[in-house]
Amino acid sequence: GAVVSQHPSWVICKSGTSVKIECRSLDFQATTMFWYRQFPKQSLMLMATSNEGSKATYEQGVEKDKFLINHASLTLSTLTVTSAHPEDSSFYICSYRTSFGQGSGANVLTFGAGSRLTVL
Amino acid sequence: RKEVEQDPGPFNVPEGATVAFNCTYSNSASQSFFWYRQDCRKEPKLLMSVYSSGNEDGRFTAQLNRASQYISLLIRDSKLSDSATYLCVVNIAYDYKLSFGAGTTVTVRA
Repeated sequence: GAVVSQHPSWVICKSGTSVKIECRSLDFQATTMFWYRQFPKQSLMLMATSNEGSKATYEQGVEKDKFLINHASLTLSTLTVTSAHPEDSSFYICSYRTSFGQGSGANVLTFGAGSRLTVL
Repeated sequence: RKEVEQDPGPFNVPEGATVAFNCTYSNSASQSFFWYRQDCRKEPKLLMSVYSSGNEDGRFTAQLNRASQYISLLIRDSKLSDSATYLCVVNIAYDYKLSFGAGTTVTVRA
């Protein structure tokens, strides 16, 4: 099946630094990737939709200047957490759709392995 | 009100037992429904889609009740490897965005 590679898996950084997370599609061309964040014992929350060759679409409450998304090619989307603070510590996961349309079974997502960020 | 709500559990069951749990959703326009499995500190993985007539995949049975706006997951003959958090995921019609529940944790003990 289709595969998406995400790295780094783990990152620990000092407060104030920036961290870049990469998400690569290995066997398909993804015009759209989704970035989620998950805090402990909470649900996945969509942060933004990454569109190849254009600006990302951010969800309400997500600061676009803090979470920079770049989707310059059909196989690579990156999320950069700028000036990270301890409250940004979370599990960040990229994903893409493997089925499209409407109705039962549509809009299935496949996820990258996730990146666990800890900001000291 | 949250779009998707789940009983967080945990459901602690012995091997071989049957365990079932529900998930409620708030938007009646929801059209696609899924159960994902998430192991500790791992990414979610699709367990099964949920179809209107209900569907079964091996030991797993999913049901959809549109009138009451809930879906259910039943696991028969539980295995130790079934221990995980099960995420209920709902897609609203005409919108690619998925809404995730916070998950129901199942622990199967020997």
